[in-house]
Amino acid sequence: EVQLVQSGADVKKPGESLRISCKGSGYSFTNYWITWVRQMPGKGLEWMGTIDPSDSYINYSPSFQGHVTISADKSITTAYLQWSSLKASDTAIYYCARLKDSRSYYCAFDIWGQGTMVTVSS
Amino acid sequence: EIVLTQSPGSLSLSPGERATLSCRASQSVSSSYLAWYQQKPGQAPRLLIYGASSRATGIPDRFSGSGSGTDFTLTISRLGPEDFAVYYCQQSGRSPTFGGGTRVEIK
Repeated sequence: EVQLVQSGADVKKPGESLRISCKGSGYSFTNYWITWVRQMPGKGLEWMGTIDPSDSYINYSPSFQGHVTISADKSITTAYLQWSSLKASDTAIYYCARLKDSRSYYCAFDIWGQGTMVTVSS
Repeated sequence: EIVLTQSPGSLSLSPGERATLSCRASQSVSSSYLAWYQQKPGQAPRLLIYGASSRATGIPDRFSGSGSGTDFTLTISRLGPEDFAVYYCQQSGRSPTFGGGTRVEIK
C-alpha cells in the first residue's frame, strides 16, 4: 500500500525548534516529489514547498521561504519540515503529500499523510 | 501567483440533490493542471479529480469535473450522506495554489 505516515502532534513554546516527519512507503520514494501544505485552524490549504527526495532540490513558496526548512533523507524514505524558532502563528495542521506524476510539478497531490497538529503556546 | 476563487462559499443541499461547485482562476490555467479535493472534518484532503475531468482511483462516477481556461466546475450528480464536506480546487505547477473552499452542508 502506498502511504505517507506523519509524526504525531506536538506542543511547543514560542521560540522553540521543531522537526516533523513524513515517511513514505509502498513506492519508489526518490521518483515522486513530496510537498508540504499548511492548514491553520478553521482555514483553507496553503502550499509551503516541494522537495525532490532524489537530490533534495527544494522549491519554496515565497510566503514560507526563510521561515521553515524542508529536507529529506532518501535512505529512510522520510521528508521533514522544521522550524528553528516557532511562533504562535505557526499553530496549524501540517500535511505532507505526494505529487502524482513522477518528477513533475504539473500534477495533483494524490497521496496525503494524516497530518501533524502543531500547537505553539506559552 | 494564480488566485483561485471558489463559489459559493457554502451550499446547503439535501441527500440525492445535485451539487455544482465553481472555481474561477485569475488567469488561464491548463486543464491538465486543475484538481479537486474533498476534505472531511478531522481528515486529510483526498484527491477527487485531476486534469480537470479525470477521476482519481476509487472515486465514484457521481463526481465529475469540467471546464477550461479560467472557469472550472465540480459536479456531484446525487449527493450521498458521505459527500457532505469541504471541497477545494487547486492548480499545479511550480507555484501551486488552492481555492478557498466550498462547504457542502446538509439541508
